[in-house]
Amino acid sequence: GQQVMQIPQYQHVQEGEDFTTYCNSSTTLSNIQWYKQRPGGHPVFLIQLVKSGEVKKQKRLTFQFGEAKKNSSLHITATQTTDVGTYFCADQQGGSEKLVFGKGTKLTVNP
Amino acid sequence: DAGVIQSPRHEVTEMGQEVTLRCKPISGHNSLFWYRQTMMRGLELLIYFNNNVPIDDSGMPEDRFSAKMPNASFSTLKIQPSEPRDSAVYFCASSFVGGGGAQETQYFGPGTRLLVL
Repeated sequence: GQQVMQIPQYQHVQEGEDFTTYCNSSTTLSNIQWYKQRPGGHPVFLIQLVKSGEVKKQKRLTFQFGEAKKNSSLHITATQTTDVGTYFCADQQGGSEKLVFGKGTKLTVNP
Repeated sequence: DAGVIQSPRHEVTEMGQEVTLRCKPISGHNSLFWYRQTMMRGLELLIYFNNNVPIDDSGMPEDRFSAKMPNASFSTLKIQPSEPRDSAVYFCASSFVGGGGAQETQYFGPGTRLLVL
């Protein structure tokens, strides 16, 4: 079945540094959703990208969908300790209610 | 809105025992998903329902796992008999899926942390 690859698996940064996680697929992605899971918590929806080349911003977070719809990225500018958690991308398989999740990128921020 | 409700929040049981996890989706949502999360395998979809009907159970590990959704406001995931390798966090999520399969966000419950000794 479809696989959504996410890199890196782990990322440790100093507070104030930027952070980027990448989501890739060998097949065309349908709609990409991004979720954040705090330690000990549950995944929480951040945003959905639908259109090729789409860019959306939420304060310090920038989400991008590749032109060929085969990759997506999440960039955090000037990380804060509140950004700690695991960030997942998920693709809605075409025509299905099913979401295929990447393995996530675990972000730790050193104050 | 109370969000997705799961119970119990924690479960410790012995190998061979039956385990039943419960989920109440958000009112008005028509799709319900059961996920399992482990360090090794990440977040895996086990099964999902649309309008109370199981649509895809290809992620269910084996016959020891079963899920039901008797009505729009309740679902169960049962493991019988349980084994140590079933230890994981089990999440229930719900969403509203409109015409043409357009899906809104999935809302996850707090999860059930299961430990099988």
